[in-house]
Amino acid sequence: DAMVIQNPRYQVTQFGKPVTLSCSQTLNHNVMYWYQQKSSQAPKLLFHYYDKDFNNEADTPDNFQSRRPNTSFCFLDIRSPGLGDAAMYLCATSRDGVAAQETQYFGPGTRLLVL
Amino acid sequence: KNQVEQSPQSLIILEGKNCTLQCNYTVSPFSNLRWYKQDTGRGPVSLTIMTFSENTKSNGRYTATLDADTKQSSLHITASQLSDSASYICVVSSGVRGNEKLTFGTGTRLTIIP
Repeated sequence: DAMVIQNPRYQVTQFGKPVTLSCSQTLNHNVMYWYQQKSSQAPKLLFHYYDKDFNNEADTPDNFQSRRPNTSFCFLDIRSPGLGDAAMYLCATSRDGVAAQETQYFGPGTRLLVL
Repeated sequence: KNQVEQSPQSLIILEGKNCTLQCNYTVSPFSNLRWYKQDTGRGPVSLTIMTFSENTKSNGRYTATLDADTKQSSLHITASQLSDSASYICVVSSGVRGNEKLTFGTGTRLTIIP
């Protein structure tokens, strides 16, 4: 059974049109992460939640926002997508933080295309 | 500046052969080192997690080594299979709980040919 679920798997949006990507988990993990991965590059952490505590990476553009209404769900909102935001967006979870040697479980990703 | 460098960038080997992927890092303070396997178009899957005190850790045909003195790690794949074709990413965790950082390498793209 899928443990980290991302919807949709593929998302097409227009330049400047807001889009929301969703992630849900059945693991009851405390930590949820959002990564951006462009072609042939390593995943880049955008932000993560430790329970309800939101941690934003310093270089994450203001265009990207996140919400975690409960333990199971986390959303990535892109307010005004640009062509450079086309990428794979990966959600991941871990029971505790990565410094605690916890395994991260990744979802299958949502591939975003901006026209 | 924290960095993780992987080599080679890409590797092609025959099915059944062994191979070794390299990872060098300059990350401080070090917490743990992870190897992930990422199939094309999928999310990464954790293979191993190693702490400062661990020299080697195995997961089936995958064996990771860590030399914390030289800040080097390797991932050895034994008796490769076609399903091993993927990108292998080395990731180093630093910091302490509540102030953690993951530094990703750019990965080695491994292709197994029949």
